[in-house]
Amino acid sequence: EVQLVESGGGLVQPGRSLKLSCAASGFTFSNYDMAWVRQTPTKGLEWVASISTGGGNTYYRDSVKGRFTISRDNAKNTQYLQMDSLRSEDTATYYCARHGVTTSYFDYWGQGVMVTVSS
Amino acid sequence: DIQMTQSPSFLSASVGDRVTINCKASQNINKYLDWYQQKLGEAPKLLIYNTNSLHTGIPSRFSGSGSGTDFTLTISSLQPEDVATYFCLQHDIGWTFGGGTKLELK
Repeated sequence: EVQLVESGGGLVQPGRSLKLSCAASGFTFSNYDMAWVRQTPTKGLEWVASISTGGGNTYYRDSVKGRFTISRDNAKNTQYLQMDSLRSEDTATYYCARHGVTTSYFDYWGQGVMVTVSS
Repeated sequence: DIQMTQSPSFLSASVGDRVTINCKASQNINKYLDWYQQKLGEAPKLLIYNTNSLHTGIPSRFSGSGSGTDFTLTISSLQPEDVATYFCLQHDIGWTFGGGTKLELK
């Protein structure tokens, strides 16, 4: 059974940093591109970042470029999202998601972790 | 950026009804349109990918159709467990979600 478990969320002040982790199990992690997607009541669902199987290719939405870094450790079956210079508009539930093997939809999602950016 | 317009935003239907939800892309996205179901307090779950392919374990009452810019999710006979919010996603160029359709029982 595919499982994705996020951790690392919480309350953080604007301008500070936070690092999310996503532990994967139930599949060969190194064979799949991975992603982070966030959700808020006002903006809905937004793709945030994606990373290729080996970590050599990364992609970001414009609003987080230069502030967020996606990475992965295939030996630990874990992906990460380092979030720096956080803003109030980054407040959201962040989901870890797996890309499909042949095409880039998101076929499995974690339960999500809440990130609140507030002073 | 590609915009996805989903309609209706809210939908009330009875058990056994045929339900349709629509998604319109701001430009041609070929077949790269997916549908997700999100129940309250849960993560989104993939139902349909690439317009009309049913994801593993999804009941056959769910189906998808469309091409180019206009797409439809159909539930052939609504069941109580289908109460949820449904989202479309285009993955032709980047990834953009629709605004969601909240489906309730009448």
